[in-house]
Amino acid sequence: DAKTTQPNSMESNEEEPVHLPCNHSTISGTDYIHWYRQLPSQGPEYVIHGLTSNVNNRMASLAIAEDRKSSTLILHRATLRDAAVYYCIRNTGNQFYFGTGTSLTVIP
Amino acid sequence: GAVVSQHPSWVICKSGTSVKIECRSLDFQATTMFWYRQFPKQSLMLMATSNEGSKATYEQGVEKDKFLINHASLTLSTLTVTSAHPEDSSFYICSARDPSAPQETQYFGPGTRLLVL
Repeated sequence: DAKTTQPNSMESNEEEPVHLPCNHSTISGTDYIHWYRQLPSQGPEYVIHGLTSNVNNRMASLAIAEDRKSSTLILHRATLRDAAVYYCIRNTGNQFYFGTGTSLTVIP
Repeated sequence: GAVVSQHPSWVICKSGTSVKIECRSLDFQATTMFWYRQFPKQSLMLMATSNEGSKATYEQGVEKDKFLINHASLTLSTLTVTSAHPEDSSFYICSARDPSAPQETQYFGPGTRLLVL
């Protein structure tokens, strides 16, 4: 989805927090924001989703800007198993439109 | 979480032949399934939405006569790549929506890698 942009790659030290940004400036008021991650040659795995309020689950937190034009996925303590491509997704109706993805490298 | 399987996991075929890929929801009934295509180092691109018992809805630019989708039951959708050519070589991934899951959450299959020679 050309309207949902993410940095191509990011690095983090192990056990440090990671903030993965996403810009979705043309998102509509009813579109949910989902985050999934993908390991090589596998299907994407659900991480978190939200609409307006910040969200927390056992995997991560999602901070959504007040104007909803951007969001940030927060991994509180990166582990080596968190190394993956993270996708920010615009959920319109029941369709998913994937962002460009961020490849996260975790340095031991 | 819910489990979605795909078969085969990889396939090699000759140019001009047709290839069928199956997508199954193993522990839930999926009225809606989705098909995506992913080229190397690129993001997933939605190809079509597959609705049980009705015709699939294709995204703009996706040829419906080339990528035939059938969703004959609540647990099975198939994608047939007809008259495959080398440019159709890609990673094809399906997903299924669990109606009991919140806010349109989709569960993805492990993908099928297609190589057309």
